[in-house]
Amino acid sequence: QPVLTQPTSLSASPGASARFTCTLRSGINVGTYRIYWYQQKPGSLPRYLLKYKSDSDKQQGSGVPSRFSGSKDASTNAGLLLISGLQSEDEADYYCAIWYSSTWVFGGGTKLTVL
Amino acid sequence: EVQLVESGGGLVQPGGSLRLSCAASGFTFSSYEMNWVRQAPGKGLEWVSYISSSGSTMYYADSVKGRFTISRDNAKNSLYLQMSSLRAEDTAVYYCAREIPHFDCWGQGTLVTVSS
Repeated sequence: QPVLTQPTSLSASPGASARFTCTLRSGINVGTYRIYWYQQKPGSLPRYLLKYKSDSDKQQGSGVPSRFSGSKDASTNAGLLLISGLQSEDEADYYCAIWYSSTWVFGGGTKLTVL
Repeated sequence: EVQLVESGGGLVQPGGSLRLSCAASGFTFSSYEMNWVRQAPGKGLEWVSYISSSGSTMYYADSVKGRFTISRDNAKNSLYLQMSSLRAEDTAVYYCAREIPHFDCWGQGTLVTVSS
């Protein structure tokens, strides 16, 4: 079982909200980790969006709109990325990452389609 | 302007070796931890290796441990990845990335193709 699991795809309408999940493997407590989120548009480099550990330990990336936010769902052991007011330009791949056991681990990524 | 420029990619046969370089400019290279991250064609991001600012600490993904070696020359503002015993599954674009601790700056990448 991978350390981080992300759904392969997600679709939502313009103006709606999108909720991305990043589920940590059983036995790895989401509460312990900072979850980092990156956006990658086709043909472009990954862009850092934000990191979230708790409401008192979070950071928005430089220039990242406030409609991008992070949170956690302890009940499902998952980190969450929330995008409100979806725009066509948000169509991209989204990756979560954690620093785990002296390695960086990326999730497999979720492709967001805005239709 | 902060800039990272990779070089050294190319076509190599299975079992072969290759050395990637990453030239840094626009920042104090010796103050930053650096990483290599790769992305196979049409696939997701995969972290490869980390090196501390001084070069004294290195970490590797299990998939490359024992085959790849990360190093740096702070006097030359350069990061390296020595790759050996290359496999088809190592085919990817290799990015160097600055860590602060998130990855805030990425090079444009260099393509490594392992094929006979």
